[in-house]
Amino acid sequence: DTGVSQDPRHKITKRGQNVTFRCDPISEHNRLYWYRQTLGQGPEFLTYFQNEAQLEKSRLLSDRFSAERPKGSFSTLEIQRTEQGDSAMYLCASSLPPSGRDDEQFFGPGTRLTVL
Amino acid sequence: AQRVTQPEKLLSVFKGAPVELKCNYSYSGSPELFWYVQYSRQRLQLLLRHISRESIKGFTADLNKGETSFHLKKPFAQEEDSAMYYCALSQYNTNAGKSTFGDGTTLTVKP
Repeated sequence: DTGVSQDPRHKITKRGQNVTFRCDPISEHNRLYWYRQTLGQGPEFLTYFQNEAQLEKSRLLSDRFSAERPKGSFSTLEIQRTEQGDSAMYLCASSLPPSGRDDEQFFGPGTRLTVL
Repeated sequence: AQRVTQPEKLLSVFKGAPVELKCNYSYSGSPELFWYVQYSRQRLQLLLRHISRESIKGFTADLNKGETSFHLKKPFAQEEDSAMYYCALSQYNTNAGKSTFGDGTTLTVKP
């Protein structure tokens, strides 16, 4: 296990299509995060999971976005009916925090989405 | 609401000069602050966290709750420090999990 992996690394799609991204966290990590990053901005929190439970979801995440982590391991982020404004880098991170604390997040390389 | 502000988008210094990257935050609870770094063509990685009070690669950062700041400092910058730096805030002592990142500062260390 060499770290967090994301697939695909790049995705080009046409407006209106659905896309799905996958994230494989570090195996023993129980927390998994999704972020979106656009040019010139920092990572923007979308959602996070503690094991298989989705515990928090940003208001930025419209109904077209859904994330799952069915067995508490890998996660998928789906965007339905993509719009040009969805073009961004989608980052995944995982962590194993001590109880009651946040801790270091390990980031994947990201999936760059371009919506034409 | 929690917010992180990094006032400088770009910072350029000469090798050997001191460097300070500013970070200000707003949060009503007990924050946990981090600095992440992204070197060219690499993924985002942790540089240091306030709770550890450690020095990593010569960088230090002190949490100033009065000024709500967490500035990153290094007394003598090196060319290999050139990178994008992000300040991040998480909620301490909760299981909320949300992290807020600043928009980053690009540091360039000139020879």
